[in-house]
Amino acid sequence: RKEVEQDPGPFNVPEGATVAFNCTYSNSASQSFFWYRQDCRKEPKLLMSVYSSGNEDGRFTAQLNRASQYISLLIRDSKLSDSATYLCVVNPPPGGGNKLTFGTGTQLKVEL
Amino acid sequence: DADVTQTPRNRITKTGKRIMLECSQTKGHDRMYWYRQDPGLGLRLIYYSFDVKDINKGEISDGYSVSRQAQAKFSLSLESAIPNQTALYFCATSDAPSYEQYFGPGTRLTVT
Repeated sequence: RKEVEQDPGPFNVPEGATVAFNCTYSNSASQSFFWYRQDCRKEPKLLMSVYSSGNEDGRFTAQLNRASQYISLLIRDSKLSDSATYLCVVNPPPGGGNKLTFGTGTQLKVEL
Repeated sequence: DADVTQTPRNRITKTGKRIMLECSQTKGHDRMYWYRQDPGLGLRLIYYSFDVKDINKGEISDGYSVSRQAQAKFSLSLESAIPNQTALYFCATSDAPSYEQYFGPGTRLTVT
């Protein structure tokens, strides 16, 4: 089983739609979780950190379910500019050396 | 100015050549990382360094070496480039206690 797994997509949604991505992780002792956004051929950029029971930032909501070992990202009122690849990222347990494990990403295409 | 810079941004080289990719940062972070990204495989860690005197191998270090010349500089070398090292290479930084990583713009390397 991969350490971090994501549905690669693409998710094609109309502008204004709500879309959700899930990500599962294999190490139950993982401590921190993040969503990064990556535009085509550009560097990944931190979108949200996900701690404890999750958090919200504007149109974006991230949830963590430790029991089932998954995190999710919900995007409401999708904009054309949300089109990108979303990377699920997991930080290992203490002693893991601050090494992040990246999922392969979920591609989102928002269309008119 | 960008906080994390990489040079060169694009490079085409031939099999067997030695090549160095350079990374500089002005964020004052102690921790620096080198990743490569290949289609469908996501980001994979090559080497990381927690301070000037600390160098650690990542999951795919074979064929690569690094040098941490100063807190702000971390270089990646390919001693004898081979075609399967063709990829997009990213440098990243982070600082305790946050595990969030900040990426440079990437170097697109092609080995012919």
